[in-house]
Amino acid sequence: EVQLVESGGALVQPGGSLRLSCAASGFSFTDHWMSWVRQGPGKGLNWVASIKEDGSEKFHVDSVKGRFTISRDNAKNSLFLQMNSLRADDTAVYYCARLRYSDWKKGKWFDPWGQGTLVTVSS
Amino acid sequence: QSVLTQPPSVSGAPGQRVTISCTGSSSNIGAGYDVHWYQQIPGTAPKLLIYGNINRPSGVPDRFSGSKSGTSASLAITGLQTEDEADYYCQSYDASLSGSVFGGGTKLTVL
Repeated sequence: EVQLVESGGALVQPGGSLRLSCAASGFSFTDHWMSWVRQGPGKGLNWVASIKEDGSEKFHVDSVKGRFTISRDNAKNSLFLQMNSLRADDTAVYYCARLRYSDWKKGKWFDPWGQGTLVTVSS
Repeated sequence: QSVLTQPPSVSGAPGQRVTISCTGSSSNIGAGYDVHWYQQIPGTAPKLLIYGNINRPSGVPDRFSGSKSGTSASLAITGLQTEDEADYYCQSYDASLSGSVFGGGTKLTVL
């Protein structure tokens, strides 16, 4: 069974740091792009970052560039999100998701998703 | 303000048909990028419903169907059931933003 399990969410003060982890199982982790997507309280879904199979390419949404960094450890089937200089508007449930595509030129979709981990930024 | 525009809510009676629209622009849907749809039951993670505009993953009932034309896409649900009550999100890729984009979500109420 394909499974993604996030961890690391916590209450953190503004300006603080946090590292999220996602443990993948049930599929060949090294064959897939991976992503983080977040959802603020009562709000919609927002893509945060994506990383290529071998980690050689990384993309981040503008609002987190310079503050967040996506990374992966293929030997441990794990995905990470290092979050620095956290702000109140970073408060959200953070989902880890596998990216899939049939024609890379037409874009990718997220499947499956983990259960999410809650990050709360507040003093 | 989401890059893709969806109606905030739709509703229908059991057994009826509803559609949810997703409107983009020339830098995403109109540029030829595929549209994908997700169902999210409150308190749970999103689940893939439609990928590549029209394709259903195994296990998704054929009551759910997708279509795409120009700068828009639609999700249709026929034979509404109470368990279809959820939030629905469309997603595509935006070339000007160099990343994935979502619609704001549509809450489906089964009356």
